[in-house]
Amino acid sequence: GDSVTQMEGPVTLSEEAFLTINCTYTATGYPSLFWYVQYPGEGLQLLLKATKADDKGSNKGFEATYRKETTSFHLEKGSVQVSDSAVYFCALRGSGGYQKVTFGTGTKLQVIP
Amino acid sequence: SQTIHQWPATLVQPVGSPLSLECTVEGTSNPNLYWYRQAAGRGLQLLFYSVGIGQISSEVPQNLSASRPQDRQFILSSKKLLLSDSGFYLCAWSVGPLTEAFFGQGTRLTVV
Repeated sequence: GDSVTQMEGPVTLSEEAFLTINCTYTATGYPSLFWYVQYPGEGLQLLLKATKADDKGSNKGFEATYRKETTSFHLEKGSVQVSDSAVYFCALRGSGGYQKVTFGTGTKLQVIP
Repeated sequence: SQTIHQWPATLVQPVGSPLSLECTVEGTSNPNLYWYRQAAGRGLQLLFYSVGIGQISSEVPQNLSASRPQDRQFILSSKKLLLSDSGFYLCAWSVGPLTEAFFGQGTRLTVV
């Protein structure tokens, strides 16, 4: 079945540091890929998405490129802020069956001033 | 525009008591609906999903059940809560192939 693997956290960075959170996936067909963000005590918000190979999703300074050859969708940001502190989830939606959304386990990011 | 409502926001229930969490979606028809659980320090676990009224698929065996009595209503229930049912429960919806899921604000359930 579909699965998503993302790097374990927590990740602690200083403000203005470069961020990479790795995500790889296993799926049949051609899934869509997503990054969600969860701020403390809240639900999940869609951060960015990519629906086909080589697409780049971007939002709020975050970027991720759909790499089919490496089955990856790594999240990057050039300069993180304290307000970026949250839990980040990589997810995919498969192209077959009930098109379930499958999530990784989440990576907690803490940005310190 | 589409919105999703989930309630209550927090809930404290004794072991052995029943549970009913409700989720409704507005502004769309025939959505796929999902219930997820997020246990402390862990990721999201898909509990149930539904592609239509009365159609429920369970992902993991557990103490919970789900029902979809109306197109845009999804209910998570239990007859007798266990301590291990504590967690953060999230309802979500999506439509169409390959599209993203949209989440409610979640319910923090503590079983004592």
